[in-house]
Amino acid sequence: SQQGEEDPQALSIQEGENATMNCSYKTSINNLQWYRQNSGRGLVHLILIRSNEREKHSGRLRVTLDTSKKSSSLLITASRAADTASYFCATAYTGTASKLTFGTGTRLQVTL
Amino acid sequence: GAGVSQSPSNKVTEKGKDVELRCDPISGHTALYWYRQSLGQGLEFLIYFQGNSAPDKSGLPSDRFSAERTGGSVSTLTIQRTQQEDSAVYLCASRGQGSANEKLFFGSGTQLSVL
Repeated sequence: SQQGEEDPQALSIQEGENATMNCSYKTSINNLQWYRQNSGRGLVHLILIRSNEREKHSGRLRVTLDTSKKSSSLLITASRAADTASYFCATAYTGTASKLTFGTGTRLQVTL
Repeated sequence: GAGVSQSPSNKVTEKGKDVELRCDPISGHTALYWYRQSLGQGLEFLIYFQGNSAPDKSGLPSDRFSAERTGGSVSTLTIQRTQQEDSAVYLCASRGQGSANEKLFFGSGTQLSVL
């Protein structure tokens, strides 16, 4: 399976703290994307990083990509209770650029 | 419509029955995807359409599963002779054309329960 692996599987932090999630994948990619899922239904795109990029920011989100280690991390700064959700990385593998392969997800709980 | 629409939102069926799930993508989106998500799991790729053709159907778990897309728009996923292990949320997503449109827009999914 080309499915990526994320860790931790679950993360519980207090509001105001930073949350870091990691994603590892298996073969070379065109890009890597992060998605958020509330309540086990539709996913929402958060951020995309291309294989020739190392870091990208969007608001309170920071994504890094290390192609030599085949890994990415998503950092959410100053977390809020509303950030409580599951977060998935998705990779567009070279040669299968039209298909996104999703990781197993990290369940983030932000408490007041 | 403004977003990806899926129907029904919930479907309860008896083992052995056939079901049809519908996806209405964002207008103008040429690419359409079906994924399946079992409880607490990641997304499992099923099939991808570009226009009306399916260049990648490698994720369909068995010949009981089929999908079609007509007019480059609406897609239906059909599961014949449903089994209990088919119970999951079935998610549809669409994407615009070209390298500037690589993110997927998801519908809210169909929760399928096979009794």
